[in-house]
Amino acid sequence: NAGVTQTPKFQVLKTGQSMTLQCAQDMNHNSMYWYRQDPGMGLRLIYYSASEGTTDKGEVPNGYNVSRLNKREFSLRLESAAPSQTSVYFCASSQQGTGANVLTFGAGSRLTVL
Amino acid sequence: RKEVEQDPGPFNVPEGATVAFNCTYSNSASQSFFWYRQDCRKEPKLLMSVYSSGNEDGRFTAQLNRASQYISLLIRDSKLSDSATYLCVVNMQGSGGGADGLTFGKGTHLIIQP
Repeated sequence: NAGVTQTPKFQVLKTGQSMTLQCAQDMNHNSMYWYRQDPGMGLRLIYYSASEGTTDKGEVPNGYNVSRLNKREFSLRLESAAPSQTSVYFCASSQQGTGANVLTFGAGSRLTVL
Repeated sequence: RKEVEQDPGPFNVPEGATVAFNCTYSNSASQSFFWYRQDCRKEPKLLMSVYSSGNEDGRFTAQLNRASQYISLLIRDSKLSDSATYLCVVNMQGSGGGADGLTFGKGTHLIIQP
């Protein structure tokens, strides 16, 4: 039972490079999320997808794009990485309805932008 | 005023002791409250939901005080394995709000000492 799988686990980029973080869940959840976690800042929502075919901005969307490829997969793209995007990125998923507030997180992707 | 506030700690507690910490929230319309646990360099995981009447799960007790707008977590007979960061999570969207309305506190770091 894999739950939420994120790749890559670690990545080092140079300023201006692009990359895509991949996320897949096998729990048949409708909603998926991308968060970033920085020291002293807590978890902040970047983008979310309430259901297949929809995406919406969260608290800190600037510099990111997302794609809800299908019900299972939700990717996060950095088009031109900046040092301020150095962070730990977590993908999460949840049910709708009464289970909507219970998030299952992936193991995280640690990104360093030099 | 920050939306969800927690004492960052660290709380250094001897094994077997009882420890409690609080979390305050600013939106009086908030309806859903949770405690998540995050181990070092791992993803957050749901510890327990917080109900209006309070709830208990083994050694863990969560309570909600709507009048003073805070939730609390009490851990009895603490174990070494309880060492972690405890995240307070509040849904600011109110009843029925999706997980996109979740606001995470920055966490309280707990260290159980042998």
